[in-house]
Amino acid sequence: EPEVTQTPSHQVTQMGQEVILRCVPISNHLYFYWYRQILGQKVEFLVSFYNNEISEKSEIFDDQFSVERPDGSNFTLKIRSTKLEDSAMYFCASSDGLKSSYEQYFGPGTRLTVT
Amino acid sequence: AQSVTQLGSHVSVSEGALVLLRCNYSSSVPPYLFWYVQYPNQGLQLLLKYTSAATLVKGINGFEAEFKKSETSFHLTKPSAHMRDAAEYFCAVTFYGNNRLAFGKGNQVVVIP
Repeated sequence: EPEVTQTPSHQVTQMGQEVILRCVPISNHLYFYWYRQILGQKVEFLVSFYNNEISEKSEIFDDQFSVERPDGSNFTLKIRSTKLEDSAMYFCASSDGLKSSYEQYFGPGTRLTVT
Repeated sequence: AQSVTQLGSHVSVSEGALVLLRCNYSSSVPPYLFWYVQYPNQGLQLLLKYTSAATLVKGINGFEAEFKKSETSFHLTKPSAHMRDAAEYFCAVTFYGNNRLAFGKGNQVVVIP
């Protein structure tokens, strides 16, 4: 069964450094998403991406964040100048966009620890 | 904006007993509703979804949920809990499809032998 994959599974970085989180969505999907889950809190939407551009972003997704689809398979989230409060589990998701389901398939997540 | 309310962060249930997790949503237009499960150190797995078809939805692992528009609810049930059901469960809502999912705070289910 096709699945969303994410690398790395765990990333430790120092405050102020830049990190890139990588995702490989399901191959025929058209919509891509990033969510995050701070420990003990709810899963929060960050950004959605369609047709090579951001379709929606939350108030969390400020200039510190950027997304890119550098090739036909990868979808990346870049966090510039990381802060302690960026420590969280980051989930990538993808969707085929069909009205029959609107289901988003989630990857296993990348745990980001900022020290 | 759409939102989801899940009450009671921790839910303890005896093995073999009914599992009932409550979810109420707020949406000004017909919603699409989902329940996801998260096992320890894993990602989010879809349990079931409501997308304006049948109001009683059956999902994986014996779970089901009923959409009640009059109560703006989408409660998740399972008649008989198993030890393997110990996990965190999230209700989520979206509308018009392909938009952001808004998640509830989640219910951590503990199954007591």
